[in-house]
Parts: sequence; structure tokens; C-alpha cells
Amino acid sequence: IAGITQAPTSQILAAGRRMTLRCTQDMRHNAMYWYRQDLGLGLRLIHYSNTAGTTGKGEVPDGYSVSRANTDDFPLTLASAVPSQTSVYFCASSPGTDNSPLHFGNGTRLTVT
Amino acid sequence: SQKIEQNSEALNIQEGKTATLTCNYTNYSPAYLQWYRQDPGRGPVFLLLIRENEKEKRKERLKVTFDTTLKQSLFHITASQPADSATYLCALSGTVGGYNKLIFGAGTRLAVHP
Repeated sequence: IAGITQAPTSQILAAGRRMTLRCTQDMRHNAMYWYRQDLGLGLRLIHYSNTAGTTGKGEVPDGYSVSRANTDDFPLTLASAVPSQTSVYFCASSPGTDNSPLHFGNGTRLTVT
Repeated sequence: SQKIEQNSEALNIQEGKTATLTCNYTNYSPAYLQWYRQDPGRGPVFLLLIRENEKEKRKERLKVTFDTTLKQSLFHITASQPADSATYLCALSGTVGGYNKLIFGAGTRLAVHP
């Protein structure tokens, strides 16, 4: 089934540890995004990539990094996790950057203790 | 700053009635407005997109209106069913700085009772 796969589905992480959230899509979409979703807040954009080889900062990029070595994969890395990064993380993709709708994965629930 | 507001209180309605959800925004002139559905433990799923020059858009039992003067969108589900129970998110969109920028509301939870 075409779509976005995120891994892991959930994780408990000690503060200060490094963690990479994985995201893979099989729709050959050019653009990919990482959002975090917190209770009472809307989805907030962390980083985006318009096409393979390029990345950009979103609304809340601090403490996170991304890479886009190819079209399909867009991993999100927390270099040194802090409790405020406890959240649900969603990866998404869109065919282009022309206001096309986003396709989302089912998220990674991350708890930093 | 740009702000988008959805009713934070859950909307409870009886099966068969029309559900109406509201999305208000300030300090923004979006080119598009999108609505998504999100079920517990799942990612949002796209439902409808309406452009700034469109007043209304329909898809099966769904209808969206977009009033750029009032800075408001209404999302209607007619003949609602318990399976429509979910959280509905609105998002303002526009290409900014070369990327597909969406600003999401926090969502409104809809509960349809048999």
C-alpha cells in the first residue's frame, strides 16, 4: 500500500540521548516535512525538504536536524533529547510545493524522561 | 502573528444531523484552506481543499465554505454517522519562501452519537 512509513511507532528516551526518527515514502513525492503535535496546539513544522538534496527550517527547528539523501527517505535526528521534545512526530509528503495536500504517516510517539 | 482558531470544545451531535465546524484566522491571507480528519493514534488524512476565490466546495456529504472577508471557513458534514467521529483540522496554506507552508489549527473533536 502506497504511503508513508514511520519508525518506531513509539519510544521512551532518556534525556541527553541521541535519537533518529525514520520516515520513508513510496509515492515519489518531491516534498517532505516533519511536524510535531502537542495537546492543544496545532501541528507545528520542524523542518521541510522541497526535493532530494535540499532542506529548510520550519517554525520550531531548534534541537532537530534532517537530511534528504534521496527522494524516499527523510530522517529526523534529535542530537541530545530534552523533555520538552516529548511529543508525537508526524512525517508528511506532497507531490510539490504548490499548496498540494499533505500525506501523513501515523506518527512516532516520543517520550523524553 | 498568524493565528488560526478552531473550537477547542468537542462537538456532540445526534446521528443524522448536520455537523458544522468553524475555523477562524487572523493576520494571514491564505491562498488555500484545507481540511483534514484525524483519528486517534493516526496521522491526519486530507479531505478537501478550497481556494481563496471559491466560496464553496462539496464532496459527497462534506461541504466547505471560505469567506475571506470574515476570515472564516465552515466545514459541514450532512447526515452525520458515528463513523464521522474524529478530530477535524483546518489548515491555511500558501507557498511562502519556496515551500508549501501550512498553518494548522489545533482541531475540533466531533462525536456523533447513535
